[in-house]
Amino acid sequence: ETGVTQTPRHLVMGMTNKKSLKCEQHLGHNAMYWYKQSAKKPLELMFVYSLEERVENNSVPSRFSPECPNSSHLFLHLHTLQPEDSALYLCASSQVWSPNEQFFGPGTRLTVL
Amino acid sequence: QQQVKQSPQSLIVQKGGISIINCAYENTAFDYFPWYQQFPGKGPALLIAIRPDVSEKKEGRFTISFNKSAKQFSLHIMDSQPGDSATYFCAASGGGGSNYKLTFGKGTLLTVNP
Repeated sequence: ETGVTQTPRHLVMGMTNKKSLKCEQHLGHNAMYWYKQSAKKPLELMFVYSLEERVENNSVPSRFSPECPNSSHLFLHLHTLQPEDSALYLCASSQVWSPNEQFFGPGTRLTVL
Repeated sequence: QQQVKQSPQSLIVQKGGISIINCAYENTAFDYFPWYQQFPGKGPALLIAIRPDVSEKKEGRFTISFNKSAKQFSLHIMDSQPGDSATYFCAASGGGGSNYKLTFGKGTLLTVNP
């Protein structure tokens, strides 16, 4: 595997389910990001981890819970989501000293029924 | 409010033509302006970027033009090809310590007809 990978690629869940999105980067980076991409809206930064510490929580509802166990892995735990949370969730990574050059994964297409 | 306004929302160009996408920003503290290209089913990929100390940057068929006084920047794709068909996002970052925070435009769906 190379670059940034995300699993699953597609996820359908009910409002009462609990699921997790996984991101893994193979680039030797030490900063990781979660973004939400909705149709006809700018990419929204959700969370930032720098050297495995959360440095940004961009007013995201508590039903989204991130976890960064090490510099290569990032999770987004989901529970009691709403239909408006349906979107493409993108993971990205970068070097801490070069945060502008972010490399994105292919995303997880989430549908909340 | 920090935002980046991108236009047009969609663009259709004939093969060999020039594609032009424009962005405008408000925050004068921004000091890094990248463009991302996204194909269906893929994440955005960094295409080209510019800093405000230059007015133009060219990489192959892709050129960024930057007008600091007008707070505008644009992407020009010369000799557009069907393989360039994708969604293009402009972004901006910098100023105030949140250098990791890329503020994105809403995107432009480019279609290049053969």
